[in-house]
Amino acid sequence: GGIITQTPKFLIGQEGQKLTLKCQQNFNHDTMYWYRQDSGKGLRLIYYSITENDLQKGDLSEGYDASREKKSSFSLTVTSAQKNEMAVFLCASSPRGGEDTQYFGPGTRLLVL
Amino acid sequence: QQKVQQSPESLSVPEGGMASLNCTSSDRNFQYFWWYRQHSGEGPKALMSIFSDGDKKEGRFTAHLNKASLHVSLHIRDSQPSDSALYFCAARFSGGNYKPTFGKGTSLVVHP
Repeated sequence: GGIITQTPKFLIGQEGQKLTLKCQQNFNHDTMYWYRQDSGKGLRLIYYSITENDLQKGDLSEGYDASREKKSSFSLTVTSAQKNEMAVFLCASSPRGGEDTQYFGPGTRLLVL
Repeated sequence: QQKVQQSPESLSVPEGGMASLNCTSSDRNFQYFWWYRQHSGEGPKALMSIFSDGDKKEGRFTAHLNKASLHVSLHIRDSQPSDSALYFCAARFSGGNYKPTFGKGTSLVVHP
């Protein structure tokens, strides 16, 4: 078995601030994903990476940057936090990619004041 | 346009009853479907995947795929209060690389 760790669990930021979320997996999976979850809107893909140093945009990439520094880690940066923004950011990994089941972390809960 | 539509948005069933969740694709070029379950405060966990027409059963959970109608369903028999959660359908479409598409979810409440 393996685990996905997301840090921090809770993040409170100020409007305009640059915020970084981190994700680590010990599955030795190739593909990693970042999703945003808003109430009533399901999961929306922000960025994904099919291997170390690869980066692919999802449907919601504007306003975000991502970095896959090594196979086990994938970080996401909110480039300029929006006032009153509230969402959960979920990191996931899968062995190869499209046909594989994804394994999710517990999420980072963001609140922007 | 949302490629994966889920219904109903919310569902309440009595303990021991059958819960039926639906998912429809608006794109015929789907390849794979998954069902995920998310309990409050946690990340989603995969329940099962289905790629071929017909039924797939895992314990109390049965998924049914009808490719002709672009429809996949999840049936939970003998529902338990612990089944209360958000359920997501996800699909991968050909040409989509590694990008799965999730529906907006169905909120299931199983009441004692």
